[in-house]
Amino acid sequence: SQQGEEDPQALSIQEGENATMNCSYKTSINNLQWYRQNSGRGLVHLILIRSNEREKHSGRLRVTLDTSKKSSSLLITASRAADTASYFCATDYSSASKIIFGSGTRLSIRP
Amino acid sequence: DGGITQSPKYLFRKEGQNVTLSCEQNLNHDAMYWYRQDPGQGLRLIYYSQIVNDFQKGDIAEGYSVSREKKESFPLTVTSAQKNPTAFYLCASRPEGSTDTQYFGPGTRLTVL
Repeated sequence: SQQGEEDPQALSIQEGENATMNCSYKTSINNLQWYRQNSGRGLVHLILIRSNEREKHSGRLRVTLDTSKKSSSLLITASRAADTASYFCATDYSSASKIIFGSGTRLSIRP
Repeated sequence: DGGITQSPKYLFRKEGQNVTLSCEQNLNHDAMYWYRQDPGQGLRLIYYSQIVNDFQKGDIAEGYSVSREKKESFPLTVTSAQKNPTAFYLCASRPEGSTDTQYFGPGTRLTVL
């Protein structure tokens, strides 16, 4: 029962371009988080946005949240080769202390 | 990978054998989690524990078992009842009652021969 679904499943862009990934979820949430995973590694937390926030920035990352549409987007500006990874959204939606992950977007940055 | 360690990094098992994956954290977090990740897929929750000596099933608990005898340790046993255990297993933790981020270990890749 996945709460979040990312779109697109895969994205390939030229270095220096911006990358946008989207996440949709099904039920009301406490917060939404974005994580990065390099191949064969654990997940690294990127940014958390709470349900009462609409936009958040961290370096080259910009996250938006639209609770009326139950969707979020992650924008990576001025992409670099090191940004090549899978990106997951995760929703914290209950008091049960669980986080549910989406299926991820595989981002490839071409030199 | 923060203060969470998983061992071993790679694990091979023959069919019909039980195997235990280790997860240790020194972050003093109350809550710990086990996820399974299949190739090209997201993470699916196996078990989680919010406090010592207590744990709950996640979405895919069948064929797995856990224990939480100590705050810093949350081992996962993959039993012979798990029909397709080959996968990447990730452990995570966060403070109980927190709605903040989880901290992940580096993962264990289990292959059934």
